[in-house]
Amino acid sequence: EAQVTQNPRYLITVTGKKLTVTCSQNMNHEYMSWYRQDPGLGLRQIYYSMNVEVTDKGDVPEGYKVSRKEKRNFPLILESPSPNQTSLYFCASSLRQGLNIQYFGAGTRLSVL
Amino acid sequence: QQPVQSPQAVILREGEDAVINCSSSKALYSVHWYRQKHGEAPVFLMILLKGGEQKGHDKISASFNEKKQQSSLYLTASQLSYSGTYFCGTEIVGGFKTIFGAGTRLFVKA
Repeated sequence: EAQVTQNPRYLITVTGKKLTVTCSQNMNHEYMSWYRQDPGLGLRQIYYSMNVEVTDKGDVPEGYKVSRKEKRNFPLILESPSPNQTSLYFCASSLRQGLNIQYFGAGTRLSVL
Repeated sequence: QQPVQSPQAVILREGEDAVINCSSSKALYSVHWYRQKHGEAPVFLMILLKGGEQKGHDKISASFNEKKQQSSLYLTASQLSYSGTYFCGTEIVGGFKTIFGAGTRLFVKA
């Protein structure tokens, strides 16, 4: 089954404790993105990757890191989480830029205390 | 740069129609529409490429006016299952990413 898998689904952590949210897709998509969703603000892009080893900042990249060492995986790293990073996070993949139909993972709800 | 969606929220009775609008200040290459039900991930509905085409999907259709950089989503004879938040996503000409609007919350009641 074609899917985007995120883990964990729920995470509660404390300020400053490094964490990684994993994302994997099995559709051989080139393009992957991370979004955060906050009430009233919609989906805001954190980082995106156009292919292996090619990443770029989205609209809200501060406090986040990503890597794309393999085509299928695109982890999101919070090196020193802060309470303002409490949010719902979605990973998405798409076949290519220009026909950027996004397939979303189920989401990760993160709370930073 | 975020596209502007209107209305922010709408309440319908079953069988009524609704229109959701998405407007951008940038020249657009494509517009996508997604629906997100509560507690779930957004799900792709349709994509419109520049050219002013209109697409349909059951009783949900959309249009794209590239001169005005606007797209509209039309929901006809709404069903309870249409409830959710609708997002437009835009790709600008020469851009490399999709930018989403803030969403329109749609509630259909019996």
